[in-house]
Amino acid sequence: GESVGLHLPTLSVQEGDNSIINCAYSNSASDYFIWYKQESGKGPQFIIDIRSNMDKRQGQRVTVLLNKTVKHLSLQIAATQPGDSAVYFCAENIGGSGNTGKLIFGQGTTLQVKP
Amino acid sequence: KAGVTQTPRYLIKTRGQQVTLSCSPISGHRSVSWYQQTPGQGLQFLFEYFSETQRNKGNFPGRFSGRQFSNSRSEMNVSTLELGDSALYLCASRSGTGANYGYTFGSGTRLTVV
Repeated sequence: GESVGLHLPTLSVQEGDNSIINCAYSNSASDYFIWYKQESGKGPQFIIDIRSNMDKRQGQRVTVLLNKTVKHLSLQIAATQPGDSAVYFCAENIGGSGNTGKLIFGQGTTLQVKP
Repeated sequence: KAGVTQTPRYLIKTRGQQVTLSCSPISGHRSVSWYQQTPGQGLQFLFEYFSETQRNKGNFPGRFSGRQFSNSRSEMNVSTLELGDSALYLCASRSGTGANYGYTFGSGTRLTVV
């Protein structure tokens, strides 16, 4: 079935280092991808998104890379800070137009930042 | 701009009862989606409403239903509650038209079924 999978359940990094969180997706029709951050007791918070006609997008300290050939998505966080500690989810939008409102989420990766 | 508001934040219900959860989207957003989050299954799509019509539905039993009002506020209902329905229920809103893809989530309603 449709799935978005994350390669590592937990990632531990030193403060100041760069973090890379990976994600595999399976639906070729997905046209839009989002990374979310979720802290304990809160809902998912939007980090960055990318459309399928792009392969890279940069935000503030974050970069998302999309490789449609191997159906792979990654989130890079530069100079990781303690406040970055959270669970990170990738999500794909199912539907050609991007207007279906249905996201398929990966299982999540816990990012732990050591001071 | 106010975010997505979900009420109540916490609920405890008994098996067999029914429950109604509420979601107020960001002003101007016409699309509201609902998700169930559990440790075992992660985040799973329940349904999406746009302009008072259900536009998409996930793979959940008919005990899960929803509706949307003319002001875009949405409710979801779960009837005949089971222990496995214990979860964090999240709603997300977005414009729902054109190329505006951004989904904003609320903080969720934590439902515990005992």
